[in-house]
Parts: sequence; structure tokens; C-alpha cells
Amino acid sequence: GNSVTQMEGPVTLSEEAFLTINCTYTATGYPSLFWYVQYPGEGLQLLLKATKADDKGSNKGFEATYRKETTSFHLEKGSVQVSDSAVYFCALRDTGRRALTFGSGTRLQVQP
Amino acid sequence: DTAVSQTPKYLVTQMGNDKSIKCEQNLGHDTMYWYKQDSKKFLKIMFSYNNKELIINETVPNRFSPKSPDKAHLNLHINSLELGDSAVYFCASSSRGSLDNEQFFGPGTRLTVL
Repeated sequence: GNSVTQMEGPVTLSEEAFLTINCTYTATGYPSLFWYVQYPGEGLQLLLKATKADDKGSNKGFEATYRKETTSFHLEKGSVQVSDSAVYFCALRDTGRRALTFGSGTRLQVQP
Repeated sequence: DTAVSQTPKYLVTQMGNDKSIKCEQNLGHDTMYWYKQDSKKFLKIMFSYNNKELIINETVPNRFSPKSPDKAHLNLHINSLELGDSAVYFCASSSRGSLDNEQFFGPGTRLTVL
């Protein structure tokens, strides 16, 4: 079956530090890959996505590249802000299945 | 403009009670979902409906019964609530025609069973 593995948190960084949150996946087909963000007390919001190998998704300074050879979709940001503090979820959707399979989430805490 | 809305936002109830959570989307999507987020933030699909037809039913106790009166609504009824049902329940919707299946999530309903 499909699965998504994320690095465990919390990840605590100082403002302007570089962020990497690792995500690897297992899927039977050719999945689309997503990063969702959940701010405190809110629902999930799509942060970025990539639908095929070597695609790079980007939004709000965050980036992730779909690496088929390593089955990875790591999230990066060059300079984090306090407002980036949230829980980040890596997810995939495999062909033929509508529902998303989520990783366990990684909490990011950015300190001023 | 609220895209995906859920009511209530908070629900506190006793074990054994029956309760419902409602979800509505105004995005014109034809597919809706219910996800459960446990205390460790782990999110898992429960159900999915496409055009009022059930298409995904994960291993969920039959105390949980989704109902879709029309494409814009997907309600979740839970019978005989148990302590383990305490979680945040998220509704989501997407368009079948969207190749990347971007899902839009509601704000969640925090259910606490005492």
C-alpha cells in the first residue's frame, strides 16, 4: 500500500535559519505529491504540489522537488520566519485513488 | 467566502451518545471526504463521496455513517460514541476533473468524548 514517512518533530529553528523537512514515500503507481500546512487552530492549506518526476513545487519561499529515483519530496525554505510556525504534512495521491495519504506531520517552531 | 465549512467547530459529549457533524462546500466540487486527525496529529481518510456515491470506505467502525444529500454536502453521523472517537474531524472537497486533485479542507470539528 501507499505510505508517506516524514521526519519527526518538533523542529525548532531561529528566525532566518534554513529549513529542511524530509519526506519519502512508497506508492504503487506514479503519485502526485503535496505539502500541506496547518497553522494553530486552523484546517489544512495546500502549500505546494508536484505532479510528476523532477517537477519543483514552490510557494511563499518554500520549495520541494519530486525525486522519483529517491522517492522523496523534501520541503525547504531558505530563511524561515516566526509566522512559518505550524505543522507541515507531506501527502501523496496515487493514480486511481482520490484520497490523500498523509505523513505524520512535522511541527516547526521558529523562534525570534 | 467560506469554501468548505463545518459545523459545529467544537463538540463535547458523553460516551454512548449519537452526534452529527455537517459539512458544506461552495466550490462546485463533486467529491467530498472525511478525514480523522488523532491526538498525535496523524491524518487518515475515513470516507469519500463522488456525486453522492460512496467511493472510499476505509476500515471505519459501522457506528460511523456518512450521508451525502447532494454534491455540496457530506454529513457524518456517529452512533454510540466512544472515548477513542475523540479527535479532530476534517471535511475536504475536490474536483474530479482536477488532475492533481487539490483538496480544500474545512476548519475541522474537534470532538471530545467524555
